[in-house]
Amino acid sequence: AQTVTQSQPEMSVQEAETVTLSCTYDTSESDYYLFWYKQPPSRQMILVIRQEAYKQQNATENRFSVNFQKAAKSFSLKISDSQLGDAAMYFCAYRRSKETSGSRLTFGEGTQLTVNP
Amino acid sequence: EAGVAQSPRYKIIEKRQSVAFWCNPISGHATLYWYQQILGQGPKLLIQFQNNGVVDDSQLPKDRFSAERLKGVDSTLKIQPAKLEDSAVYLCASSPEWTGQTQYFGPGTRLLVL
Repeated sequence: AQTVTQSQPEMSVQEAETVTLSCTYDTSESDYYLFWYKQPPSRQMILVIRQEAYKQQNATENRFSVNFQKAAKSFSLKISDSQLGDAAMYFCAYRRSKETSGSRLTFGEGTQLTVNP
Repeated sequence: EAGVAQSPRYKIIEKRQSVAFWCNPISGHATLYWYQQILGQGPKLLIQFQNNGVVDDSQLPKDRFSAERLKGVDSTLKIQPAKLEDSAVYLCASSPEWTGQTQYFGPGTRLLVL
């Protein structure tokens, strides 16, 4: 079974600075998808960024970028120029590529990010 | 484009009572998911529908939980009877593709079982 581990329950960053959230996963699959979701206090899960395992290039979305290390099974999220609105719980998630048994997301435990003004 | 709608937003019940949650996915989305998120944890899939058929319900406690998606649009999730450990946020998500690459989440229903 696939597992996702986020070893940092809490992180904090000063406004305008850069922070990196860590995620590792365990799978025997060679093709899969990885995601970072943001969950603010309103509880609405919002997709931040997505990475296809077959792509070597790291995904970027404006101030958000990932460092995908397939051999190490590591998938970290870097937030540049942090803003107060970035404060939220961040979840790393995995989804297998083969769809024979559904397309569930397997989530990590989450990292609570605080942005200090 | 309207997002995923869920109701109610909050529900408080006593153990052994029954409760039902409703989800309306984004228009045209064929795939619908119900996740359970216990406080301090990441969401866990309970059931996945493709149109009105069940694709994955391997983690659904079938002795007390049931779900349906009539006509392949709205869905209801029911718990009968509820236990204290069912206290959680129940998230509904939908996806336009069978592969579910991008799942769009609703605001969730927070359930407290006393």
